Amino acid sequence: GAGVSQTPSNKVTEKGKYVELRCDPISGHTALYWYRQSLGQGPEFLIYFQGTGAADDSGLPNDRFFAVRPEGSVSTLKIQRTERGDSAVYLCASSPSGAATYEQYFGPGTRLTVT
Amino acid sequence: AQKITQTQPGMFVQEKEAVTLDCTYDTSDQSYGLFWYKQPSSGEMIFLIYQGSYDEQNATEGRYSLNFQKARKSANLVISASQLGDSAMYFCAMREFTSGTYKYIFGTGTRLKVLA
Repeated sequence: GAGVSQTPSNKVTEKGKYVELRCDPISGHTALYWYRQSLGQGPEFLIYFQGTGAADDSGLPNDRFFAVRPEGSVSTLKIQRTERGDSAVYLCASSPSGAATYEQYFGPGTRLTVT
Repeated sequence: AQKITQTQPGMFVQEKEAVTLDCTYDTSDQSYGLFWYKQPSSGEMIFLIYQGSYDEQNATEGRYSLNFQKARKSANLVISASQLGDSAMYFCAMREFTSGTYKYIFGTGTRLKVLA
């Protein structure tokens, strides 16, 4: 079946602009995670959705970052007033449940470059 | 303090040899999970193996095995009979249950290069 998909695969934007990154999880997966991976680092947790609600948004670095998942499937990560330090690969992962199933299925990521 | 520590930024191994990638973790939880992921140059994170904190036997998945030493808080990945396609970044991760939710914490990774 289809895996986790993310669009766009690459995004170049100017400092100060607004961007939206989309994640399409595997159908039926209730848990969805966003991560940010900077060059040479491991993925860093941003936010976790269980269904439609953000169960844990403690990883969002500041109030310029926001994510939604209005119907419990597709999620959008929104970044306002982008800064050069926001440049990274943004990874999305889904799993059938936040508790009982441990394996996360990752998407290919969106590479964001802020110039 | 680092929750997941991978002390080897880069490793080389000869094709068909075995290699061990180190991972130590820090947690005060009794129940947690440990994972290894492979990230090829294409960027996708590929799940390799999982070890639960209460599992008494070391996890194995094909050529991958996890050397779990709970008292030392280490969860090293052993890849047997290395193949050229094993060249990639490898990340160790831990799942904790904190503040009512599950959170995954990743190490900084080890870049493995398999030599022909």
